[in-house]
Amino acid sequence: NAGVMQNPRHLVRRRGQEARLRCSPVKGHSHVYWYRQLPEEGLKFMVYLQKENIIDESGMPKERFSAEFPKEGPSILRIQQVVRGDSAAYFCASSPLPRAPGANVLTFGAGSRLTVL
Amino acid sequence: QQPVQSPQAVILREGEDAVINCSSSKALYSVHWYRQKHGEAPVFLMILLKGGEQKGHEKISASFNEKKQQSSLYLTASQLSYSGTYFCGTELSNNDMRFGAGTRLTVKP
Repeated sequence: NAGVMQNPRHLVRRRGQEARLRCSPVKGHSHVYWYRQLPEEGLKFMVYLQKENIIDESGMPKERFSAEFPKEGPSILRIQQVVRGDSAAYFCASSPLPRAPGANVLTFGAGSRLTVL
Repeated sequence: QQPVQSPQAVILREGEDAVINCSSSKALYSVHWYRQKHGEAPVFLMILLKGGEQKGHEKISASFNEKKQQSSLYLTASQLSYSGTYFCGTELSNNDMRFGAGTRLTVKP
């Protein structure tokens, strides 16, 4: 029973290039969350998606960042024209359809570490 | 909507106890606790749903106050393996999840 799979684990990009981070949720999980973590800091919410639907993207910068969770395939976090400030660990988490309000347990992936040179 | 954690960091000797607090200005649906070891994914510890609830797992336990605005995580007789960053999380009405800034716990021999 595979957990949340993220790839690549490490990605190096030069300023101005694009970064694509992929997340395959736990089989059967219909909700995906993306968080950004700077070194020695907390998990900053970016976006929450269900299949083919963005539920909440209030934590994502309005420019250069986009996310999708298509009907088939992994969720993708896309960062266009990366800048040095985008360097961080990006964690994806998934959860099944909650059985009760408040009972939404997340399973995290190992993260993708983006370095922008 | 993001919960507030305190303290930011704790250093303990093996065998000592620690308390990590998590609070919100509004009543929460629930509070979740996760632990993240350096360079790894956060791992779920426990969830509390009801006001006044207490839960435990070995020597790590948590409480959720009656008003559901404050939770504490208790680490008793700490072990080296307890080192890591502890996050409290809260679920919003649309199943969205927000986390506090984390508490970095270091247990030394």
